[in-house]
Amino acid sequence: AQSVAQPEDQVKVAEGNPLTVKCTYSVSGNPYLFWYVQYPNRGLQFLLKYITGDNLVKGSYGFEAEFNKSQTSFHLKKPSALVSDSALYFCAVRDGPKAAGNKLTFGGGTRVLVKP
Amino acid sequence: GAVVSQHPSRVICKSGTSVKIECRSLDFQATTMFWYRQFPKKSLMLMATSNEGSKATYEQGVEKDKFLINHASLTLSTLTVTSAHPEDSSFYICSGTGTTGELFFGEGSRLTVL
Repeated sequence: AQSVAQPEDQVKVAEGNPLTVKCTYSVSGNPYLFWYVQYPNRGLQFLLKYITGDNLVKGSYGFEAEFNKSQTSFHLKKPSALVSDSALYFCAVRDGPKAAGNKLTFGGGTRVLVKP
Repeated sequence: GAVVSQHPSRVICKSGTSVKIECRSLDFQATTMFWYRQFPKKSLMLMATSNEGSKATYEQGVEKDKFLINHASLTLSTLTVTSAHPEDSSFYICSGTGTTGELFFGEGSRLTVL
C-alpha cells in the first residue's frame, strides 16, 4: 500500500521569506513523487515530480523539492515566497512505473498563506 | 502541458435529478481517466478509474449505480450523478493519462444539489 502524509494543515509565511511544505511518504517499491497546486475552485496544476536521478528537483514557478530516501520525505521549497503562491498544495505518490493506470495517492493538502 | 477540459464548471440541480459531467482530453489520448471527489478543505478522494472501452473500476465505498462513469472514447469520459441528493454536493475533478503516464487534471466541476 502507498500513503502520503502532509503534517501541516496550514503554513503561513511573509512575502519574501523561504517557504517549505512538508511531505512524507510510504511505498513498498520505488516512489514516484509529485507536487500539485490548487487555486480556489480550480483543478490541480502540476508543479514537479521525482522519478529518478538527482534528489533535488526543480519545477514550475520557482519551486523545488528534495527527495530524501532515508527520511522518506519530499518537501516542497521556494526560496522567496510571493503572495500569489497562496494556495492549496498536494503531495502525491505512485508506487510503481509510470505506466498508465497506476493510481496516485494524495496527501491531505497544506494550505499556504503568504502575507504581504 | 496537455489540456483536460471539464464541463460544466458549476452546476446546480434539484434533488432527484441526474447530472452529467464531461471530461475531455483536448490534445492527447487519455487511455485512462480518474474521477475524484473533493470535500471542502479536504484532499482528493479517488472515486473510480476508467479505461477506454471498458467498465470503470470503483473504489471501495463508492456506489457504482449512483456514480455512472463512461469512457467511450480516448478523448471523452463522463460522470453521471444519478438521483442526486444534497449530500452529493461536492467538487468533482477528472484527470487523464496517456502513454507517458503523466496525469493531467481538469478544472473541476462544483455540483450543488438543492
